[in-house]
Formats: sequence, structure tokens, C-alpha cells
Amino acid sequence: AQRVTQPEKLLSVFKGAPVELKCNYSYSGSPELFWYVQYSRQRLQLLLRHISRESIKGFTADLNKGETSFHLKKPFAQEEDSAMYYCALLLGGAQKLVFGQGTRLTINP
Amino acid sequence: DVKVTQSSRYLVKRTGEKVFLECVQDMDHENMFWYRQDPGLGLRLIYFSYDVKMKEKGDIPEGYSVSREKKERFSLILESASTNQTSMYLCASRPMWGILSYEQYFGPGTRLTVT
Repeated sequence: AQRVTQPEKLLSVFKGAPVELKCNYSYSGSPELFWYVQYSRQRLQLLLRHISRESIKGFTADLNKGETSFHLKKPFAQEEDSAMYYCALLLGGAQKLVFGQGTRLTINP
Repeated sequence: DVKVTQSSRYLVKRTGEKVFLECVQDMDHENMFWYRQDPGLGLRLIYFSYDVKMKEKGDIPEGYSVSREKKERFSLILESASTNQTSMYLCASRPMWGILSYEQYFGPGTRLTVT
């Protein structure tokens, strides 16, 4: 079954500390993975896509097919990173996204 | 700039009422989606549509139906609202083809309370 798991519902780190949001997936096909973010009182938006291999707002995510993971990382957290983060898997044939349960990240000053 | 709008930000309805949630997108996207967002459960797909008059069940379609009579508009219908349908409802759209087909655009959400 296709599934995305984010094991941490809540994550709290201090400003300047490294942050890692975990995401594991289960999919028999070739995975296409995303991170979406929702800041307070804003709509959900795309943060980054694995195939782009880019860094957005200092965040990166590497697809590890061996571990079926797509963890989101940032070396130095900032207060404006506080938000809800969702990992998502695109089911190509069905054209739909499967989302994880979400991780609420809080950056403490 | 893609815009996805939802008819209401907040809605309060009584148990048993028929509820309509409307979503409109202005970018001629083929795909449209309805999700509900609940703490600890993430986003769960209710229904989606990849063309006018076409619809597909998502993961939790029970108690819901949808309508897509025009390409830009996708409506979610709660035939007889129940308290367990109290939730945040998110609409989204995405093009079927092209370089931007990977990015899904979300509306602001409708917080529905059923009493």
C-alpha cells in the first residue's frame, strides 16, 4: 500500500540549531516526493520537490531509496521556520498526492 | 499567479443539513481535489476530479459527494452533515501536464463546524 509516515507530530528546536523532519514512504513504483509547508494563517504551499534537488529557504531533502526516506533538513533553524510541514508522495498513474500526518515545527528563540 | 478560492472561511451547520462547499480556480487546471485536514491525521483525500463531470473517490469519500460542471469549479457536498464531519476542508488544483504539473495549489480552507 502507498503510504507516507511522519513519525513526529511535534518538533521543537532552538533558533540556530539544526533541524530534521523525518519522512518515510512506502511505494512500489518510482517515488516522486514533496515537502509542503503551512505557515500560521497562510495556505498550504509547496516547499520543495526531490527531483529539483534545490535548497529552498535553507531547507534540503534527499531521497534515500534504500531507506525509503525523504527527510527535510536545515542546518540553522530560524524563528520564521515555525510551521506545519507535510511530506507528500505523488502517485503518478492516479495523479494524486498522498500526505503524511504532518509535523508541527516550533523554533524557540 | 494561481488563485484557488473557497466560498467560505468559516461555516457552522446543524446536524442533518445539506452543506455545499465551493471551490474555484482561475488557472484552467484539469485536476481538482478536496481534502479534509485534521490534527494528527494530516490531509486526507475525499474526492478528486481530472476533468469536467469526471470524479474519483479518494481515501475517505463516505458521507460526501462532489460536482464538477465547469472546469474551474469543484463543489463538495455533505448530503446530511454529521458532527464527525467537523473539520478544515481544503480545495486544491493542479495542471495535468507541463512543467508545473507537479505543484498543487491550495485554497485558504473552510473551517466547518457541525453542531
